[in-house]
Amino acid sequence: TAGITQAPTSQILAAGRSMTLRCTQDMRHNAMYWYRQDLGLGLRLIHYSNTAGTTGKGEVPDGYSVSRANTDDFPLTLASAVPSQTSVYFCASSQLPGQGDNEQFFGPGTRLTVL
Amino acid sequence: GENVEQHPSTLSVQEGDSAVIKCTYSDSASNYFPWYKQELGKRPQLIIDIRSNVGEKKDQRIAVTLNKTAKHFSLHITETQPEDSAVYFCAAQQLGYSTLTFGKGTMLLVSP
Repeated sequence: TAGITQAPTSQILAAGRSMTLRCTQDMRHNAMYWYRQDLGLGLRLIHYSNTAGTTGKGEVPDGYSVSRANTDDFPLTLASAVPSQTSVYFCASSQLPGQGDNEQFFGPGTRLTVL
Repeated sequence: GENVEQHPSTLSVQEGDSAVIKCTYSDSASNYFPWYKQELGKRPQLIIDIRSNVGEKKDQRIAVTLNKTAKHFSLHITETQPEDSAVYFCAAQQLGYSTLTFGKGTMLLVSP
């Protein structure tokens, strides 16, 4: 079982360009999440989805968009990247509260540098 | 929304000593409190969690305590080992929500 995967592992992107970070899970989890991790700021939620077809905004959603066409995939898109979006991005997934274990499983992360 | 404060931001101990990391939360309705460990260059991984109907939970050398009245919870690591060196994050989940609010993390360094 792969669990949760992300692609690419790392990327250098010119400011103003667009990019989609990919995330796939094979655990049939209903909920999926995108976080960014910056030194000293911990893990901040960007967007989340509780089920296919629905998404919600987290703490820092500006400049990012997501879609959830099916249970397994949850791509994160930067429409026009800016240097402040340089970060490590983690995707995670979990069961919904009341449907089983609450544990969020994290992907390996994508290191994005915007120049 | 929920707000989680975590202290200290860095903690250095000698091997064999105990380490304690403390977190406070703002929403009294929060009912699930996990702790994640993140080794350098790796993904965060759950090490222990506690629900609001329990005051303490132990798993070998690690334990978590919860004080609902004061709205704080703590991670206790006994007999620390160099492999415990990592960043530890606490988090809180509000009742009815799937999302977690994380603290800013504690970098624990265990010296041999």
